[in-house]
Amino acid sequence: QKEVEQDPGPLSVPEGAIVSLNCTYSNSAFQYFMWYRQYSRKGPELLMYTYSSGNKEDGRFTAQVDKSSKYISLFIRDSQPSDSATYLCAMSEGQFYFGTGTSLTVIP
Amino acid sequence: GAVVSQHPSRVICKSGTSVKIECRSLDFQATTMFWYRQFPKQSLMLMATSNEGSKATYEQGVEKDKFLINHASLTLSTLTVTSAHPEDSSFYICSAQWASGGRTDTQYFGPGTRLTVL
Repeated sequence: QKEVEQDPGPLSVPEGAIVSLNCTYSNSAFQYFMWYRQYSRKGPELLMYTYSSGNKEDGRFTAQVDKSSKYISLFIRDSQPSDSATYLCAMSEGQFYFGTGTSLTVIP
Repeated sequence: GAVVSQHPSRVICKSGTSVKIECRSLDFQATTMFWYRQFPKQSLMLMATSNEGSKATYEQGVEKDKFLINHASLTLSTLTVTSAHPEDSSFYICSAQWASGGRTDTQYFGPGTRLTVL
């Protein structure tokens, strides 16, 4: 079993939709949880960083961590074509583990 | 803040030559830098972890004599692909971990270097 599981998609939604991206994990020692956005041919860009369980909101983005279920989510409200990218989840307990990334396309 | 640069952004070289890629943390000190390789439409593959002033730790299957990593300062790490061959063509991305103050367990990525070996 992989440390981090992420559905690769692809996910295609109309502009304005709410997008839900998810990752599950198996290691209960993970304490730091991150979401990165990667545009084609670019390095990943840190979007959200959370420590332990709970929600964190930043503009149209909300990161949610449920440690009891070992499940993290990233919600994008009012999705825009510029949100089209690959979204990587990552988590750490000292060592980093990345999901495989979910490819998102927002259709105008 | 937390900007990481990479140079060059793109390089094309002949088979058998060596290529050096630089990774710099511009506005913070990074005690740890990471080097990744990414094939088209695939996720990041960690190649090695580099700590300032010590030898890099390579992941299984990564040839340390082929991919030379030097982390000479808290703001600079270099990856040298020695005797490059076409199968080394890939997108190489570095990241730096901010280890003092602020977020101590987050990686900040560079923009990547696309290597094409002819």
